[in-house]
Amino acid sequence: EADIYQTPRYLVIGTGKKITLECSQTMGHDKMYWYQQDPGMELHLIHYSYGVNSTEKGDLSSESTVSRIRTEHFPLTLESARPSHTSQYLCASSPQGADTQYFGPGTRLTVL
Amino acid sequence: ILNVEQSPQSLHVQEGDSTNFTCSFPSSNFYALHWYRWETAKSPEALFVMTLNGDEKKKGRISATLNTKEGYSYLYIKGSQPEDSATYLCAFYDYKLSFGAGTTVTVRA
Repeated sequence: EADIYQTPRYLVIGTGKKITLECSQTMGHDKMYWYQQDPGMELHLIHYSYGVNSTEKGDLSSESTVSRIRTEHFPLTLESARPSHTSQYLCASSPQGADTQYFGPGTRLTVL
Repeated sequence: ILNVEQSPQSLHVQEGDSTNFTCSFPSSNFYALHWYRWETAKSPEALFVMTLNGDEKKKGRISATLNTKEGYSYLYIKGSQPEDSATYLCAFYDYKLSFGAGTTVTVRA
């Protein structure tokens, strides 16, 4: 069983608030990812990292930012939440040299 | 963003029946195709990684085939059970995963 955690699992917040979604993994994986998914739609890659101090934007443009100061931790931040940010956010990780990704349980974000 | 399509979007199956559904992906520059199972309130879980044309993978009652020349993969569930109820995602790997929208399977007892 993969050891990748996301907090909070659910978040309801007002417009304009700053939020940070946490993602941690205990597997020592170098590669980490953030996906965004709207109901009934595909998972879209919004950020990824191939190691400490490495972050890249994904295929889907996002107003969020990420950081990778420690191997195990890959938080996602929204400086000013808006209703258009309402979505599910999933974090994943994979080891070097492997394609398979291990997913966290996701954070369901609602911005009022 | 690569175009990965899954059909049908959802299906309902009677317990004990078998079913299958499709994933279509770009047939050029193929590297790998992944299948994931995502049960409600849980994390997506890797099922198969398929790399070779003609590949067939099996895990219990679930199996998958791959045709890279025409760009499709089938996932089969034999003798469906209620615990097979989940959304099944396929993802085309080209240094990153591009996901389809999934096929949601509901098995009725």
